[in-house]
Amino acid sequence: EDQVTQSPEALRLQEGESSSLNCSYTVSGLRGLFWYRQDPGKGPEFLFTLYSAGEEKEKERLKATLTKKESFLHITAPKPEDSATYLCAVQAEGDSGGGADGLTFGKGTHLIIQP
Amino acid sequence: NAGVTQTPKFQVLKTGQSMTLQCAQDMNHEYMSWYRQDPGMGLRLIHYSVGAGITDQGEVPNGYNVSRSTTEDFPLRLLSAAPSQTSVYFCASSFTARSGNTIYFGEGSWLTVV
Repeated sequence: EDQVTQSPEALRLQEGESSSLNCSYTVSGLRGLFWYRQDPGKGPEFLFTLYSAGEEKEKERLKATLTKKESFLHITAPKPEDSATYLCAVQAEGDSGGGADGLTFGKGTHLIIQP
Repeated sequence: NAGVTQTPKFQVLKTGQSMTLQCAQDMNHEYMSWYRQDPGMGLRLIHYSVGAGITDQGEVPNGYNVSRSTTEDFPLRLLSAAPSQTSVYFCASSFTARSGNTIYFGEGSWLTVV
C-alpha cells in the first residue's frame, strides 16, 4: 500500500527564516511526486511534479528535491504570503489501490510565516 | 484552479437525503476524479474516470455513485447521505490518464450531513 508521511505537521517561521518541509513516501513504483499548496477554503494549487531521484525544481522562493525515499520542499526567505498548507502526493505505477493515476496524499504541513 | 468548476459550494443535507455534486471542466481533459478531505487525513480518492463512459472506484467509493456521459462533466451522487459523509469534496482533472500529467483541482464543495 502506498504511503505518504509529511513532517512537521505544523511549522511557524519568522519572515526571512528559511526552512524545509519533508515528505517521506513508500510506493511500489513511482510515476511522479507532486507538491501542492492549499489556502484555507480553497482547492489544492499545483506547484511541482518530480519524476526521478536527483531531480530538482524551483519556483520563486520554493525549491523541491527528490530522493528514492523522500522529497523536500525548501522555502528560502519566506514571506507572510507563503503561509498555507503544503501537500505532498505520489502517483504510483499500475493500479495500486488508489485507482489508475490517482494520487495518494500526505496529511500536509501547515506553514505560518510571521511578519 | 481555473477550468474546474464545482457546484454547490456549500450544502447541508439531512440523513437519508440524496444529492448530486456537480463538476465541470473546460480544458478537454480525459481524466477526472473526486476526492474527499477530512480533518487530520489526506485527500482520499473516491471515484475516477479515464474518459467518457468509463468510471472506476478509488479508495473510498462506498455511498457514492458517478457517471461520465460527456468529457466535460463528472457528477458525484450521494445515494443516501450519512453523517460520515460530512466532508469537503474536490473534483480534479488532468489532460490524460498518463503518468505525470498535472492534476488540477476545483475549489471544493463543503457538505454537512445532519
